[in-house]
Amino acid sequence: NAGVMQNPRHLVRRRGQEARLRCSPVKGHSHVYWYRQLPEEGLKFMVYLQKENIIDESGMPKERFSAEFPKEGPSILRIQQVVRGDSAAYFCASSPQRGPGTDTQYFGPGTRLTVL
Amino acid sequence: GENVEQHPSTLSVQEGDSAVIKCTYSDSASNYFPWYKQELGKGPQLIIDIRSNVGEKKDQRIAVTLNKTAKHFSLHITETQPEDSAVYFCAATNRDDKIIFGKGTRLHILP
Repeated sequence: NAGVMQNPRHLVRRRGQEARLRCSPVKGHSHVYWYRQLPEEGLKFMVYLQKENIIDESGMPKERFSAEFPKEGPSILRIQQVVRGDSAAYFCASSPQRGPGTDTQYFGPGTRLTVL
Repeated sequence: GENVEQHPSTLSVQEGDSAVIKCTYSDSASNYFPWYKQELGKGPQLIIDIRSNVGEKKDQRIAVTLNKTAKHFSLHITETQPEDSAVYFCAATNRDDKIIFGKGTRLHILP
């Protein structure tokens, strides 16, 4: 069984460009989460999506960041007009279900974004 | 909101000895506590988890204990091996089912 897939693994962008990060969840998983990790720090929740719905985006900056999980295809985290502070590792996780005490999340290998 | 504190931030143990990592949480509604291992350049991998209806869980050399009254939980690794070297993260769900992570413990296994 394939795990969570993320691409690209490394992404370099210049300030002002757009970054698109893709995540394919574990087959059969309908819940996707995006996290950001800065060096030497833990993972910070950004957004939780189900197919075609954003459930919780409380951890995502209001400007320049957006996420989607279409009916077909991978989940996309999009960062417009990137700045140096956006440089980080972005991880996607998926789970088969969500509910109290049932939320086991499986992580992808991450995309390391570097903004020059 | 939920706050998860993890200690120590760095831990060095001799190969073959045991390692213990401790975490505390603040939200009394937390009911799921996973532990993740992250190797350099890779994503976090779930190694063990515990739910609030049990106090202890063991899987070979790894065990986790949970004290709901004191709101703390711990990871125990026995007979440590070089491949145990990694960063370990504890986490807890908050009342919105969001997983909140600790800041991580960098474990070094010394030869």
